[in-house]
Amino acid sequence: GQNIDQPTEMTATEGAIVQINCTYQTSGFNGLFWYQQHAGEAPTFLSYNVLDGLEEKGRFSSFLSRSKGYSYLLLKELQMKDSASYLCAGMDSNYQLIWGAGTKLIIKP
Amino acid sequence: IAGITQAPTSQILAAGRRMTLRCTQDMRHNAMYWYRQDLGLGLRLIHYSNTAGTTGKGEVPDGYSVSRANTDDFPLTLASAVPSQTSVYFCASSDQSGGDINTQYFGPGTRLTVL
Repeated sequence: GQNIDQPTEMTATEGAIVQINCTYQTSGFNGLFWYQQHAGEAPTFLSYNVLDGLEEKGRFSSFLSRSKGYSYLLLKELQMKDSASYLCAGMDSNYQLIWGAGTKLIIKP
Repeated sequence: IAGITQAPTSQILAAGRRMTLRCTQDMRHNAMYWYRQDLGLGLRLIHYSNTAGTTGKGEVPDGYSVSRANTDDFPLTLASAVPSQTSVYFCASSDQSGGDINTQYFGPGTRLTVL
């Protein structure tokens, strides 16, 4: 079957670094996406990985290991506005996204 | 450029009533999707359309129907609403023409309550 696993909730301190892990199992693989979703709002695209390694985009980085079925999202210099849910999604062989339930990130001052 | 719009923003509906959720995009994306999002669960695909004139069933299609008469519009219809269809509904679109990585872009959502 297809499945995406990520922690339900994480807490971090403003200014710190946090890593949100995701393991995936999809029928075929066409990439791994991370989205951010603030409460009451729509998901917005953060990053995409299809090859192994680290993709850096400002304060956010995303890593992929295809052999391990594993990805993480790294957030540096945390700001209060980073409090949100972070959704991991794997794209299968039909180019459909399989979504995790999301990780709620709580930032404390 | 508006991107993707959805209407209504929210709706309270009596069980058994028919309801159509509207979705319009102006990005000329060929693919469109309807998801529902429930607390504690990931986004679940209801129906999708890879191009105008074609539709397909997702993970949870029962009780819902869609049509894709043109590129821009992708309405979702609940023929006879039931309380288990209470959810937040998101419409999304993506460019599957090969020039993009198939990133899905989301509308603002419709919050539907069925009583």
